[in-house]
Amino acid sequence: SQQGEEDPQALSIQEGENATMNCSYKTSINNLQWYRQNSGRGLVHLILIRSNEREKHSGRLRVTLDTSKKSSSLLITASRAADTASYFCATVPISNTGNQFYFGTGTSLTVIP
Amino acid sequence: EPEVTQTPSHQVTQMGQEVILRCVPISNHLYFYWYRQILGQKVEFLVSFYNNEISEKSEIFDDQFSVERPDGSNFTLKIRSTKLEDSAMYFCASSWRGGRNTEAFFGQGTRLTVV
Repeated sequence: SQQGEEDPQALSIQEGENATMNCSYKTSINNLQWYRQNSGRGLVHLILIRSNEREKHSGRLRVTLDTSKKSSSLLITASRAADTASYFCATVPISNTGNQFYFGTGTSLTVIP
Repeated sequence: EPEVTQTPSHQVTQMGQEVILRCVPISNHLYFYWYRQILGQKVEFLVSFYNNEISEKSEIFDDQFSVERPDGSNFTLKIRSTKLEDSAMYFCASSWRGGRNTEAFFGQGTRLTVV
């Protein structure tokens, strides 16, 4: 299975601290994407990193990708209470037509005000 | 900002009944998807749709499921005879290009409860 695994499963931090979430996957990918899901709501796209990229920034988000280790990390700097949500990585394997996203198990982030 | 909209937000149905979940993808997008998330579990791929036909489907997407784009704006998922295990949040998504090149935009989901 290509499906990724995030760790930790749950993370609780104080507002203002940084939050780091990791994602590992199994087969070669075309790109990896991070999504956020607020409780009971839809998935919101955060950032896409291609297999030939190693690091990408978007506002307070920093994503890294290590294709040799088949892993990615999402760093949220200066966290806010509104960042409380579940975060998922989704991979697009090279092997398929590229229309299917494989989601990980998610990290549940709680930012305490 | 354009968004994917899904209706209804919550549907309760009796086991064995047919349900149709509706989605309006972003207007200039060409690829459409259905995913589902059983409570507490991963988001799972069901089907992708491009150029008026299914391009990929998962093992979950058996003969009880079908998709349709009836009028060029709506994208529907039909479950012919619902089972208890079909209870889940169903997400519609769309993208301008195939997933290998671009992000997908997801709707808010339809929570399906089969009783």
